[in-house]
Amino acid sequence: QKEVEQDPGPLSVPEGAIVSLNCTYSNSAFQYFMWYRQYSRKGPELLMYTYSSGNKEDGRFTAQVDKSSKYISLFIRDSQPSDSATYLCAMSGGGSGGSYIPTFGRGTSLIVHP
Amino acid sequence: NAGVTQTPKFQVLKTGQSMTLQCAQDMNHNSMYWYRQDPGMGLRLIYYSASEGTTDKGEVPNGYNVSRLNKREFSLRLESAAPSQTSVYFCASRRGTETYEQYFGPGTRLTVT
Repeated sequence: QKEVEQDPGPLSVPEGAIVSLNCTYSNSAFQYFMWYRQYSRKGPELLMYTYSSGNKEDGRFTAQVDKSSKYISLFIRDSQPSDSATYLCAMSGGGSGGSYIPTFGRGTSLIVHP
Repeated sequence: NAGVTQTPKFQVLKTGQSMTLQCAQDMNHNSMYWYRQDPGMGLRLIYYSASEGTTDKGEVPNGYNVSRLNKREFSLRLESAAPSQTSVYFCASRRGTETYEQYFGPGTRLTVT
């Protein structure tokens, strides 16, 4: 079993829908949780970053962490065709200095159709 | 401010040929990383450099070597390319202190025939 599990999709939704993207993990030492967005043929870019449990909101995006269930989610409200991309979760146990090594999920492909 | 740049963007090699992928960042970041991304496999770490002068193996280092030339540049070398190394390669950097955000380059698409 991989440390981080993420359904690859594709997830296809109509424009305006609420999208829920999820990852589960097995390492209870993970404390830092990130969501990256990757457009086709581009490098990943950081979308959201949270520490420990709880919610974080940024515009149409909400990141949620439930450490007791080892489950993280990214919600996208009022989804747009421009949100069509692959979303990768990443997480880390933290650590000082430069040897921070995140563990990535495989990514979920999202398609928002007009 | 270009961020993380990678060259070349595309490359086709024959089995056994060698090549070096170049990466540079202009954000004065301490840490740099090389990943490969394959369909269904996600991002897998090949090598990383926590700071100038240090390099360490990641999850899939076999068949690769790296050089942290200076604080800006981190290169990845394939000494004898194999078809299994056909992949998209991403370089990333991170400031290195109190942040966990990685900045990724645009990638190099490598095909080994």
